[in-house]
Amino acid sequence: GDSVTQMEGPVTLSEEAFLTINCTYTATGYPSLFWYVQYPGEGLQLLLKATKADDKGSNKGFEATYRKETTSFHLEKGSVQVSDSAVYFCALSEGGGTSYGKLTFGQGTILTVHP
Amino acid sequence: DGGITQSPKYLFRKEGQNVTLSCEQNLNHDAMYWYRQDPGQGLRLIYYSQIVNDFQKGDIAEGYSVSREKKESFPLTVTSAQKNPTAFYLCASRPRTLDNSPLHFGNGTRLTVT
Repeated sequence: GDSVTQMEGPVTLSEEAFLTINCTYTATGYPSLFWYVQYPGEGLQLLLKATKADDKGSNKGFEATYRKETTSFHLEKGSVQVSDSAVYFCALSEGGGTSYGKLTFGQGTILTVHP
Repeated sequence: DGGITQSPKYLFRKEGQNVTLSCEQNLNHDAMYWYRQDPGQGLRLIYYSQIVNDFQKGDIAEGYSVSREKKESFPLTVTSAQKNPTAFYLCASRPRTLDNSPLHFGNGTRLTVT
């Protein structure tokens, strides 16, 4: 079945540091890939997405490129802020067929940014 | 503003009692989902529904039940058969099931069973 593996956390950085959170996936078809962010006590918000190979999703300074050859979708940001502290989830969706568009999530990576 | 409302935010129950978590959306979405979140385990799918009066089991449906009598509403009942009910429960929706549009999430209900 489909699966998503994220780098284990927690990740602790100083403000303005470079961020990478690794994400690799296993899927039978051609999934869409997503990064979601969860702030304390809240639900998940879509951060960015990519729907086909070599697409780059970007939002709020975060970027991730859909790499089919390495089955990866790593999240990056050049300069993190304290307000970026949250839990980040990588996810994939197979779309149609028997999966009915279910999202499969990674385990989440806790990011803490210190001033 | 359109969105998904989950209530209550915190819920406490005694072991052996059934409890129902509310999820309402005014986004006119066809598909709705229930996920369970446990520390370090990501989100796991409990049930999903593609249209009114239809729903399917997800990966961890045992001990849970749902209904979809209205497009806007998808309540989840945690029954006494669920062995480890204490968790953070998230409801989500998307316009249709058979596409790759992003899920919209509610703010969750934290259930504690003692």
